[in-house]
Amino acid sequence: SAVISQKPSRDICQRGTSLTIQCQVDSQVTMMFWYRQQPGQSLTLIATANQGSEATYESGFVIDKFPISRPNLTFSTLTVSNMSPEDSSIYLCSVVGPNEKLFFGSGTQLSVL
Amino acid sequence: DAKTTQPNSMESNEEEPVHLPCNHSTISGTDYIHWYRQLPSQGPEYVIHGLTSNVNNRMASLAIAEDRKSSTLILHRATLRDAAVYYCIPQSRYNFNKFYFGSGTKLNVKP
Repeated sequence: SAVISQKPSRDICQRGTSLTIQCQVDSQVTMMFWYRQQPGQSLTLIATANQGSEATYESGFVIDKFPISRPNLTFSTLTVSNMSPEDSSIYLCSVVGPNEKLFFGSGTQLSVL
Repeated sequence: DAKTTQPNSMESNEEEPVHLPCNHSTISGTDYIHWYRQLPSQGPEYVIHGLTSNVNNRMASLAIAEDRKSSTLILHRATLRDAAVYYCIPQSRYNFNKFYFGSGTKLNVKP
């Protein structure tokens, strides 16, 4: 299995500010994924973070709003920029581990006032 | 990417079997069928996956239709801890391992 540490676990932020979420994996992985889960909704894939190259964003998500870093094979960050109340969600980091299973961090609960 | 159709919600009694259906009629021949569940206030967790044959593990069984256009997740004896949202996800090995979640089925287990 893959153990993923994600922080912060929750935060309350002011409109217009930015928050950086960190994701640490206990083993080297090729790709890391960032998801958003809006209240009462399913998970939506934001982007795929590849080590050594630009992240690949899904339709509806842009780098200026959600910049991603992937400095090595065990770590990634997602920044939520210029936040608005509509960004209030749970943000989840995940990786594909052994046997092609998807593993998730515990998530970051973000509230924007 | 293959689309999925699942019931919005289902209800079961504790210690009874539960059959959770999923329709994935546009699945391609190389897509695996994955099932994940999300317990309240937690990230999703792996349940089971398969390609063509039925699969069993300690958590559940997966029955895949012969034409692969549908599958059923079977919980043999539901417990209160099984109350969660269950997601069926066709996953392409040729799509950089991306997993796209549908709306899932919320399972309620009654004591």
